[in-house]
Amino acid sequence: SQQGEEDPQALSIQEGENATMNCSYKTSINNLQWYRQNSGRGLVHLILIRSNEREKHSGRLRVTLDTSKKSSSLLITASRAADTASYFCATVYSGGGADGLTFGKGTHLIIQP
Amino acid sequence: DAGVIQSPRHEVTEMGQEVTLRCKPISGHNSLFWYRQTMMRGLELLIYFNNNVPIDDSGMPEDRFSAKMPNASFSTLKIQPSEPRDSAVYFCASTLGGSPNQPQHFGDGTRLSIL
Repeated sequence: SQQGEEDPQALSIQEGENATMNCSYKTSINNLQWYRQNSGRGLVHLILIRSNEREKHSGRLRVTLDTSKKSSSLLITASRAADTASYFCATVYSGGGADGLTFGKGTHLIIQP
Repeated sequence: DAGVIQSPRHEVTEMGQEVTLRCKPISGHNSLFWYRQTMMRGLELLIYFNNNVPIDDSGMPEDRFSAKMPNASFSTLKIQPSEPRDSAVYFCASTLGGSPNQPQHFGDGTRLSIL
């Protein structure tokens, strides 16, 4: 399978702490995207990092990409209760056009107040 | 701006019945995707359209599944006959296609239960 895999599957931290989630994938990619899914809702795009980028920031989010290790990490700083959600990495593989995303199984993040 | 709109939000029906899920993509988006989400298999791409034309339906599980996009503002996913193993949340997403470096915009899904 070409699916990305997130690690850990579940993460519970205290409000205010930083949360780090990792993603590994298997083949060359065009880009890697992170999405958030709140319970009972659709996925919401958070950030996209292209294969020629190494780090990207958006507000409290920081994403890194290491193409040599085929891995990415998502860091959420100063976590809030509202960050409680599942987080997915998704890849668009090289050679694809407007292909569908290939998702991992997600990391379920719980922020304890 | 209106996002991707899916209907119904919930559907409960008995096995053997026909099920039709509907999706209205974001205006101006020319690529549309159908996904299925289950606990066991996660999110799976079923089919996607570009400019209303099906491009890749390799993810459609069986002939019981079919999808259409008669125009740029509407798509359907049909299951006939439905089976209990089709129970899942079905998502529609749209994007401004032509480049893989575009984020996808998801609807809130249809939660389908086949009894």
